[in-house]
Amino acid sequence: EAGVAQSPRYKIIEKRQSVAFWCNPISGHATLYWYQQILGQGPKLLIQFQNNGVVDDSQLPKDRFSAERLKGVDSTLKIQPAKLEDSAVYLCASSGVNTGELFFGEGSRLTVL
Amino acid sequence: GENVEQHPSTLSVQEGDSAVIKCTYSDSASNYFPWYKQELGKRPQLIIDIRSNVGEKKDQRIAVTLNKTAKHFSLHITETQPEDSAVYFCAQGDYKLSFGAGTTVTVRA
Repeated sequence: EAGVAQSPRYKIIEKRQSVAFWCNPISGHATLYWYQQILGQGPKLLIQFQNNGVVDDSQLPKDRFSAERLKGVDSTLKIQPAKLEDSAVYLCASSGVNTGELFFGEGSRLTVL
Repeated sequence: GENVEQHPSTLSVQEGDSAVIKCTYSDSASNYFPWYKQELGKRPQLIIDIRSNVGEKKDQRIAVTLNKTAKHFSLHITETQPEDSAVYFCAQGDYKLSFGAGTTVTVRA
């Protein structure tokens, strides 16, 4: 079974530039999550989708972050404009029905200069 | 998200000894308490989880205990091996998970 796919793995941008990350969850998983993991910290939930609807985006900085999952499969997370403090690994995860286990992707490491 | 406090932040143990990590939480409605292991540069992976209807769960050298009254749960690793060296995260929640800050475990050979 293929795992959660993310791209790009690494991205370096200057502040005020924009960046987009892509995630393809495990086939059949209805729930998709974007987490931000700053170095030395635990993952922090940014947004959670159930199919193509948003379940929770309470911790998403909506003035600069946006995410979509238009067809209920893959998802894109965008940051515009980026700030220095956005430097982190952006982890995508998915989970199936009636299971709490999250399956994480390898993550996209963002460095903002 | 709901607060999850995790201690210690770092833990160094001699190979063969036990390691214990403890987490406390504030949301009394939480029913699901997983533990994830993250090796350097890798993705977090679930190693064990427990639900609120049981007090303890064991899987080979790994066990988790839950005290809902005191709102804390712990990870126990016995007979530690070098491959146990990693960052361990506790988490709690139901439809969404809140993670602790992590414990860096180093197993000395």
